[in-house]
Amino acid sequence: KAGVTQTPRYLIKTRGQQVTLSCSPISGHRSVSWYQQTPGQGLQFLFEYFSETQRNKGNFPGRFSGRQFSNSRSEMNVSTLELGDSALYLCASSFGTRQETQYFGPGTRLLVL
Amino acid sequence: GESVGLHLPTLSVQEGDNSIINCAYSNSASDYFIWYKQESGKGPQFIIDIRSNMDKRQGQRVTVLLNKTVKHLSLQIAATQPGDSAVYFCAEAGTSYDKVIFGPGTSLSVIP
Repeated sequence: KAGVTQTPRYLIKTRGQQVTLSCSPISGHRSVSWYQQTPGQGLQFLFEYFSETQRNKGNFPGRFSGRQFSNSRSEMNVSTLELGDSALYLCASSFGTRQETQYFGPGTRLLVL
Repeated sequence: GESVGLHLPTLSVQEGDNSIINCAYSNSASDYFIWYKQESGKGPQFIIDIRSNMDKRQGQRVTVLLNKTVKHLSLQIAATQPGDSAVYFCAEAGTSYDKVIFGPGTSLSVIP
């Protein structure tokens, strides 16, 4: 079974631009969670989607948004990029019906110049 | 201003020795705990999990211990190998399906 895939793997943007990242979960998984990982703040939870609905949300500004499609694929969008948004963005999937292991993708490395 | 980065605790062990990585969790209501391993350039990889109704769980070469009294979690790796070198994260989640909160991580370095 294929693992979680994320595209693109690397991205360079400039301040003020917006970016969209994509995540394809493991087949059959309905929950997708997004995390931001930086050396300064570690792994921080952004939001979680289950059956196309945002079920949980972390403490990030409204510039960070996401959505999930009927096939469970998910996208996250960051608008008006800031230098501090440079990070590794990780997506994790699970069945989502109870406490379960989340399986992570390789991440998208975003650099904001 | 200049940001202060997380100072990752570092553990160095000799190949073949046992490793113990510790973690203090924050929420006494957390019900589910997970250990992840992250190698350079990769996403976190599941190692082992434990629920709050247990105090010990064993996997292949790994054991997780949970002490709810002091909100402490540990990961023991037996016969540590060079391939175990990575950053290890503990994570906690609540009783309902809730967001998973990650600890700051510990960097394990195995000396051949």
